[in-house]
Amino acid sequence: KAGVTQTPRYLIKTRGQQVTLSCSPISGHRSVSWYQQTPGQGLQFLFEYFSETQRNKGNFPGRFSGRQFSNSRSEMNVSTLELGDSALYLCASSLEGQPELLHNEQFFGPGTRLTVL
Amino acid sequence: GENVEQHPSTLSVQEGDSAVIKCTYSDSASNYFPWYKQELGKRPQLIIDIRSNVGEKKDQRIAVTLNKTAKHFSLHITETQPEDSAVYFCAASSTDSWGKLQFGSGTQVVVTP
Repeated sequence: KAGVTQTPRYLIKTRGQQVTLSCSPISGHRSVSWYQQTPGQGLQFLFEYFSETQRNKGNFPGRFSGRQFSNSRSEMNVSTLELGDSALYLCASSLEGQPELLHNEQFFGPGTRLTVL
Repeated sequence: GENVEQHPSTLSVQEGDSAVIKCTYSDSASNYFPWYKQELGKRPQLIIDIRSNVGEKKDQRIAVTLNKTAKHFSLHITETQPEDSAVYFCAASSTDSWGKLQFGSGTQVVVTP
């Protein structure tokens, strides 16, 4: 099975712009979670989507949004970019998004490195 | 909400020695505890996980132990090799956390030959 893929791998934007990142989960996985990774804050949960619905959301401002399509692919959008949004954005997929259940482990994509200038 | 603390932040070991990383969690409802390994420039990779109905799990040179009473879990790597050098993250989640893993701050492990 192909792993989780993310596009683009690298992005450079300027403050005030917006950006859209894409994530394709492992075939058959219906849950997609997004995380922000920075040296200072580590790995922080952004949100999770399942069957085109956001089921869970982390503590990020409304500038961060996402969506999921019927084929389980997901996108996240960041509007009005700030310098502090520079980070590695990781998505992870799992079967049902219930990690306490067997065979629901999360597998990560390679990430999108976003740099805001 | 859940808070996961991880220690130490850096760990240097000689090749062949053992490495132990410890994590504590705050939410007594947490019932799933994965460990991820992230090499420089790579994605986090799941190396082992444990659920709350089990006290210990082993997979070749790595093992994880869970103490639910004390709310801590540990990763043990035996016979370390240079390729074990990476950042290791512990995480925790609970039923109905819907895709959310709460991660520790990471441990940089350096194995010197």
